[in-house]
Amino acid sequence: GEDVEQSLFLSVREGDSSVINCTYTDSSSTYLYWYKQEPGAGLQLLTYIFSNMDMKQDQRLTVLLNKKDKHLSLRIADTQTGDSAIYFCAERDPGGYQKVTFGIGTKLQVIP
Amino acid sequence: NAGVTQTPKFQVLKTGQSMTLQCAQDMNHNSMYWYRQDPGMGLRLIYYSASEGTTDKGEVPNGYNVSRLNKREFSLRLESAAPSQTSVYFCASGGLGGRSYEQYFGPGTRLTVT
Repeated sequence: GEDVEQSLFLSVREGDSSVINCTYTDSSSTYLYWYKQEPGAGLQLLTYIFSNMDMKQDQRLTVLLNKKDKHLSLRIADTQTGDSAIYFCAERDPGGYQKVTFGIGTKLQVIP
Repeated sequence: NAGVTQTPKFQVLKTGQSMTLQCAQDMNHNSMYWYRQDPGMGLRLIYYSASEGTTDKGEVPNGYNVSRLNKREFSLRLESAAPSQTSVYFCASGGLGGRSYEQYFGPGTRLTVT
């Protein structure tokens, strides 16, 4: 089955770039997602990328996909205190059941 | 649009009590999901419903039952609550129409079982 791994914690200074990393196991064509969870709230979809793409950019967010290494990263440019949250990497089950496997989440702390 | 709504927001139960967590979505999505979130464990799928009238077990279904009441509503029932079920429970929905099959989450129910 799918397995998604990510580091637990990242601390950056306000204004710097943040890079959150994730590895996944399934090599089939599928969608990969980044979700954001603010304290006391549910998960909110930030962006997604299909596995035949290398990069996707959306304002301050850049997603990079290395298919060979099954490595996904989320770069947040000009990180703000409002970006402090838990970020989840997720992989859609390519079996077509619309299930998604989530990583355990990376807690991003932005230091003013 | 309210998106995905969940009730209650907080609940405290004693061991052995039962309760039902309610979830509703107004996005006309076919699929609905129940997850639990525990520290250091990420999100784990309890049950899901790919369409109205169908339900399937996820990763951690023991101790839970679900009902897909109609296309909008998907409830999660704890028949005899145990302290191990202390967790934050999230309901989510996802659509067939969107190719990316992203899921939309409710705000969560924080359940404590004493």
